Amino acid sequence: KAGVTQTPRYLIKTRGQQVTLSCSPISGHRSVSWYQQTPGQGLQFLFEYFSETQRNKGNFPGRFSGRQFSNSRSEMNVSTLELGDSALYLCASSLVVAGFGNTIYFGEGSWLTVV
Amino acid sequence: TQLLEQSPQFLSIQEGENLTVYCNSSSVFSSLQWYRQEPGEGPVLLVTVVTGGEVKKLKRLTFQFGDARKDSSLHITAAQPGDTGLYLCAGFENTGTASKLTFGTGTRLQVTL
Repeated sequence: KAGVTQTPRYLIKTRGQQVTLSCSPISGHRSVSWYQQTPGQGLQFLFEYFSETQRNKGNFPGRFSGRQFSNSRSEMNVSTLELGDSALYLCASSLVVAGFGNTIYFGEGSWLTVV
Repeated sequence: TQLLEQSPQFLSIQEGENLTVYCNSSSVFSSLQWYRQEPGEGPVLLVTVVTGGEVKKLKRLTFQFGDARKDSSLHITAAQPGDTGLYLCAGFENTGTASKLTFGTGTRLQVTL
C-alpha cells in the first residue's frame, strides 16, 4: 500500500514569508502527527490531528498551525518564517491514536530552508 | 516536559563489532519505541516495549525496557554496514484524551567495512 506522502520535498523560503506543507496519510489512517527535526533539537512534536480535530499540541509558537481535512489529509502552516524554522518537517500517520500499541508510519519529510 | 537522553551521540565501529545504545529518562513512560532513520527518509519503527523488564529480539538487535520503565537499551550483535543510521528512542505519553511521542536525542551509528 502507498506510504505517507509529503509535499513538497524541498523548498526554500525567505524570512517573513509563510509556508504550507501537505501530508497524505496511508489510506484508512485517521491520525496524523507532525514533527520538526533539526540537528540541534532533534525530533520535536508539533501537533496531532484525529478526525479533523487537534488532539495534542507541542511547545511551538502560534506561528505554527495545522489542520486536517475530512479525507484525513493534513496541512501545516508556518507564518512569518524565521531562520530557525529551517528543518525537516515530518508527518506521521496511524490507524487510531499514535503511540501505544499502534505503529506510526513516517513520510520522507519536507526539507524547509529559510534564507 | 519529559526528556529522553540517548548515549552515545555518535558511534563509529567496524563490521562485526557489538554495540549498545542507551536511552534514559527521569520520567516513566507507558511504552517505549525504537526507530531507525536513514538519510533522506523518515524514521522507521523497529520495536515497541511495554512491560518493565521486557526484552525483545529482532534478528541481531536486542531491546530491553528497564524495570522502572524509565530507561531502555538497544544492543546490536555483529554490526553490519546496513545497520548504519540514526537510532531514536521515543517514549509514549497517554494523557487519556491525547497522546504524543517524545523522541530521544538520537544516536548516529556508522558501521564500516
